[in-house]
Amino acid sequence: AQTVTQSQPEMSVQEAETVTLSCTYDTSESDYYLFWYKQPPSRQMILVIRQEAYKQQNATENRFSVNFQKAAKSFSLKISDSQLGDAAMYFCAYSNTGNQFYFGTGTSLTVIP
Amino acid sequence: DAMVIQNPRYQVTQFGKPVTLSCSQTLNHNVMYWYQQKSSQAPKLLFHYYDKDFNNEADTPDNFQSRRPNTSFCFLDIRSPGLGDAAMYLCATSRPGTAKETQYFGPGTRLLVL
Repeated sequence: AQTVTQSQPEMSVQEAETVTLSCTYDTSESDYYLFWYKQPPSRQMILVIRQEAYKQQNATENRFSVNFQKAAKSFSLKISDSQLGDAAMYFCAYSNTGNQFYFGTGTSLTVIP
Repeated sequence: DAMVIQNPRYQVTQFGKPVTLSCSQTLNHNVMYWYQQKSSQAPKLLFHYYDKDFNNEADTPDNFQSRRPNTSFCFLDIRSPGLGDAAMYLCATSRPGTAKETQYFGPGTRLLVL
């Protein structure tokens, strides 16, 4: 069975600094997708960034980028130039082609002004 | 704008009184999901529909049922809510083969059981 592990329950970062959130996963499949979702307090869960496993190039979306290490089954999220609005719970998620989604337990990010 | 809509946003029910939560989508996605999320925890998948095909997670209690009368709507029925069912319920949609299998979430319905 697929599992997604986020080993950092809480992280904090100074405004304008860079922070990296960790995620590892376990799968025997070769074709899959990885995601980072952001869930601000009492607000909707939204997609931050996604990565297809067959792509070697790391995905980037403005200040958000990932470090995808397929052999190590690692998928970390880097947030550059952190802003107060980045404060949220971040979930790493894995999806296979069978419509199954697996979420990690989340990392609560605090941004310090 | 195309979106996933959940009503109501907040629902209060009494212990044992049946309650229905609704989800609608304008994305025309053929897969719809229901998740239960308790405070500071990851969403837990309850079930999903691939078109009309219903897929129940093995550990979803029998107390939870779902209906999908058409592509746009999906309902979550809790037949006899207990105190432990108080949670945020999230609806999500996806369209396999497009948008990199991304799930799109609604704002959630927060259920309180008195």
